[in-house]
Amino acid sequence: DTGVSQNPRHKITKRGQNVTFRCDPISEHNRLYWYRQTLGQGPEFLTYFQNEAQLEKSRLLSDRFSAERPKGSFSTLEIQRTEQGDSAMYLCASSDGPYSGNTIYFGEGSWLTVV
Amino acid sequence: GESVGLHLPTLSVQEGDNSIINCAYSNSASDYFIWYKQESGKGPQFIIDIRSNMDKRQGQRVTVLLNKTVKHLSLQIAATQPGDSAVYFCAENRITSGTYKYIFGTGTRLKVLA
Repeated sequence: DTGVSQNPRHKITKRGQNVTFRCDPISEHNRLYWYRQTLGQGPEFLTYFQNEAQLEKSRLLSDRFSAERPKGSFSTLEIQRTEQGDSAMYLCASSDGPYSGNTIYFGEGSWLTVV
Repeated sequence: GESVGLHLPTLSVQEGDNSIINCAYSNSASDYFIWYKQESGKGPQFIIDIRSNMDKRQGQRVTVLLNKTVKHLSLQIAATQPGDSAVYFCAENRITSGTYKYIFGTGTRLKVLA
């Protein structure tokens, strides 16, 4: 399967701990997105990369959140000092271009539960 | 504010019947739309897309209709099957700050009754 791959799929952590999620996009897709989704809601945009450059960050992405894509391939999303409100599914998606009509394809998501 | 939203949060249909899921958008500058299907515990799966220069596009058992006049999008599923049970999202490709970004609505849950 050469789709978007995310891991871990599930993570339970205690409040205050740090967590990191990894995303491997579809090969040769230069654009990578992170979204967050809570129950009953649609995905909310967090940030995106064009190759290794992080071009936009949502206001949802507080200072405790950081995303990287060091070599323009895989990406990591780190959440520091987790809070219960961070509990959600974190979705990664990729596309082969930045223009309208470049469909984005999602991974299966990483579920985070903060207890 | 600008948003993509759905009229019906839950839709129940009998197996074999046709389903129609609706979506309203408010940004007239958006020029590309996608429907996604999301099953429980999984990521959104691409179903079908449509550009703003079209008003209808057909796939396998699915049809998307776009009415730009009233900024309305619909997804029609023919002969609905139990495997179609899922949450369906429409996504609007909108340009903001010079780049395109997908904005999602809340979603409609489709329940297929046997």
